[in-house]
Order: sequence, then C-alpha cells, then structure tokens
Amino acid sequence: QSVLTQPPSASGTPGQRVTISCSGSSSNIGSNYVYWYQQLPGTAPKLLIYRNNQRPSGVPDRFSGSKSGTSASLAISGLRSEDEADYYCAAWDDSLSGSVFGTGTKVTVL
Amino acid sequence: QVQLVESGGGVVQPGRSLRLSCAASGFTFSSYGMHWVRQAPGKGLEWVAVIWYDGSNKYYADSVKGRFTISRDNSKNTLYLQMNSLRAEDTAVYYCARDPEDIVVVPSAWFDPWGQGTLVTVSS
Repeated sequence: QSVLTQPPSASGTPGQRVTISCSGSSSNIGSNYVYWYQQLPGTAPKLLIYRNNQRPSGVPDRFSGSKSGTSASLAISGLRSEDEADYYCAAWDDSLSGSVFGTGTKVTVL
Repeated sequence: QVQLVESGGGVVQPGRSLRLSCAASGFTFSSYGMHWVRQAPGKGLEWVAVIWYDGSNKYYADSVKGRFTISRDNSKNTLYLQMNSLRAEDTAVYYCARDPEDIVVVPSAWFDPWGQGTLVTVSS
C-alpha cells in the first residue's frame, strides 16, 4: 500500500508549468530525503530527482524538486510532449523500516 | 555501463515458489546496496526488499515479510529474490535496482539504475 499521497493526474499544454505534490508524514518525508521517478509507458522507472532537489546528469533543468516539512513537490516547466509519463515520489520510512512510494501521478500533455 | 538484468519470472501456481535473479555488470557490485521493487499490472510501484552491500542487513515490506528472502552472491555479481507461498496478489513485474551510493549504511529510497523487469504471474 502507498504511504505517500499524490494526485492521480495532472495536465498542461506545451510550454506550461505543471506541479505534482507528494504528501507524507514525519516518519518518511519529514525525516528523510525525497526522490522522484519518471516512468514512460512500457518502460522501467528512471530516477528524476534525488535528495529532494538534485538532478542527475542528463535530466533537463525543466524538472525541479522541493520539500517542506512532510510534503514535497515536483515541478515541470516548459512542458513537452515527451514528458507524458507516470511520476512517483519515494522516501525511506523510519517507522516501517522500508522505502515507500507515492500513489503515482499521470501527466498528460494536452 | 552499469547494467542490471533480471530473470526467473514466469507463471506459477498459488502456494508455489520461484526465485528471481538480477545479474549486475559495469560496477563493483559488492560495494552497493540492492533493492527489489514490484509493479502489479496497471498499478503503482511497491518497494519489496533491500539488502546491504555486504548482505549484513535486510529489510522487507510487510506484504512479503516471512515469505520472500533477498540475498546476494558478490562473487557472482548477482542479486536474488526467493519467493515462497506465492499469492495471486504477488503478480507483478519485479525490478531490481541499485542504491547508487557505495558502502551505504543508511537506507534510502534512492534507486538508480533499474533493470528492465521480469514478470511473475501467480495463477492456477
């Protein structure tokens, strides 16, 4: 079961900015780093953001992450058609002694 | 380049066992923690288990605790997931993924890279 809550969907037109929220608790987001993953249709997930707001090499700077308290967010600016994918947040949970994922958000480019 | 290749998936009856493997290449396998993550058809991601770089610590999701065992053979650069007492709800694509920090003793939800996944179907 997912411990982190995300909106099921988000959408925007090309060039727009889209923001995805991820809500957790003190045992996960509140005390550990947040990570974001992008899953294109039919493919394995790919790391998008690590340690709350760091981008791996190769990830466009259109993607940015932030964290405040027990919530985090992923922003996609300058939305492009190739950004259509499912996005998941994740964090370690100290109470569960395990990693937890968000419920996932499907981003649609209109 | 860093590569992870899963194998061992297939169709299995409820109550039976299956062992998945994840062959690693392109990095010093014995220096990195490894995870299993699964995704049921049409559903979201679910973390399954983690094993420390040296096998000294293992953690499991409550949904698989007592039924699944994660292990590794650093001499063979291979990660395993032994799955016993399989249930229909274990049907999923199983991914192995690396924790990209070496010699980590503090767990995280940092997975990079991921394998391509192997499908496990539990059905009679």
